[in-house]
Amino acid sequence: IAGITQAPTSQILAAGRRMTLRCTQDMRHNAMYWYRQDLGLGLRLIHYSNTAGTTGKGEVPDGYSVSRANTDDFPLTLASAVPSQTSVYFCARDTQYFGPGTRLTVL
Amino acid sequence: AQSVTQPDIHITVSEGASLELRCNYSYGATPYLFWYVQSPGQGLQLLLKYFSGDTLVQGIKGFEAEFKRSQSSFNLRKPSVHWSDAAEYFCAVGPIKAAGNKLTFGGGTRVLVKP
Repeated sequence: IAGITQAPTSQILAAGRRMTLRCTQDMRHNAMYWYRQDLGLGLRLIHYSNTAGTTGKGEVPDGYSVSRANTDDFPLTLASAVPSQTSVYFCARDTQYFGPGTRLTVL
Repeated sequence: AQSVTQPDIHITVSEGASLELRCNYSYGATPYLFWYVQSPGQGLQLLLKYFSGDTLVQGIKGFEAEFKRSQSSFNLRKPSVHWSDAAEYFCAVGPIKAAGNKLTFGGGTRVLVKP
């Protein structure tokens, strides 16, 4: 069964700290996405990658960066976290498979 | 720019009753439409999608949705809800044949099921 794993499950982070959210897929699919979910706003696309070595900006990219060194891994980095980045973050592979999410709280 | 509106933030329905969740979209071309369900503390699960063809789409868990181009709508329905259908539901729209399916989501509708 195709799967996406995310780590950590949850994290509390002090403002100004750097944080990397991990995402790994096991089906070697080309397209991967990072979304953030906020109450009443649904999910909003942060960054995406159509294939290894390429990335693109989504709807809300500011304060976030991604890399795609290989097909399976798509980490999301917050270089200097701010409280407005408190959210639940979902990694997705194509439109069908979403990871379980990372709940991030920035204090 | 594409957008999705789910007018109902909350819906309460009795177990066994029918359910309809509304979704209206704004998109400049032929859309690729989706419905997802999210149980508490879980990720999203794809219920169904519409790309082309028959405008009535069948999905998993007994759900169906109807695409109405004239109304820019893609409403989700289920004839008889079960307590396990209590969850949040998201409608989404994306481009067809674009490089990657960058989806735009609605704000979600939370469904409560009364015994």
